Amino acid sequence: GAVVSQHPSRVICKSGTSVKIECRSLDFQATTMFWYRQFPKQSLMLMATSNEGSKATYEQGVEKDKFLINHASLTLSTLTVTSAHPEDSSFYICSARDVIGHEKLFFGSGTQLSVL
Amino acid sequence: DAKTTQPTSMDCAEGRAANLPCNHSTISGNEYVYWYRQIHSQGPQYIIHGLKNNETNEMASLIITEDRKSSTLILPHATLRDTAVYYCIVRVSIKTSYDKVIFGPGTSLSVIP
Repeated sequence: GAVVSQHPSRVICKSGTSVKIECRSLDFQATTMFWYRQFPKQSLMLMATSNEGSKATYEQGVEKDKFLINHASLTLSTLTVTSAHPEDSSFYICSARDVIGHEKLFFGSGTQLSVL
Repeated sequence: DAKTTQPTSMDCAEGRAANLPCNHSTISGNEYVYWYRQIHSQGPQYIIHGLKNNETNEMASLIITEDRKSSTLILPHATLRDTAVYYCIVRVSIKTSYDKVIFGPGTSLSVIP
């Protein structure tokens, strides 16, 4: 099946720094990618929808200036957590939509962000 | 997208069939039923999907009622590695740019030795 690669899998950073998370579709083109965050023992919460070549669409309550999303190519989307704070510590997951066939969503393995 | 309701948690004995129910009483005619699962600290994994006919693949079977208001995911011979949170999602499968996928709380399945 299709593979979505997410990097890094784990990152620890100091408060105030920025962290970039990459999401790549390895064997298919993804015009749309989704970014989720997940707190312990909770479900995935959709943060934003990323469309290649256009601005991302953010869900209500998600700060677009804090969570910068870039989808510059059909195989790469990045999420940058700017000026990270301890409350941004979470599990971030990307997914990409395979437009061929019945539109399965494939997910990356996630990034555990810990802000000290 | 239609809302779904699932039991919060379930147990299943290893080697037995695990039957995970999902209610989606407000499903529309063009909405599919998708199942994903998430093993701890990993990204969700696609399992199966269907529109109105029952479906089977190497991982599971999906039984959809005739009125499409509910469905059951069946893992025929559960193993310890099937312990995960299982999400039932209903969504339209059309090629639009904004068909976002919303996850509910899912069912936490524990396979017991």
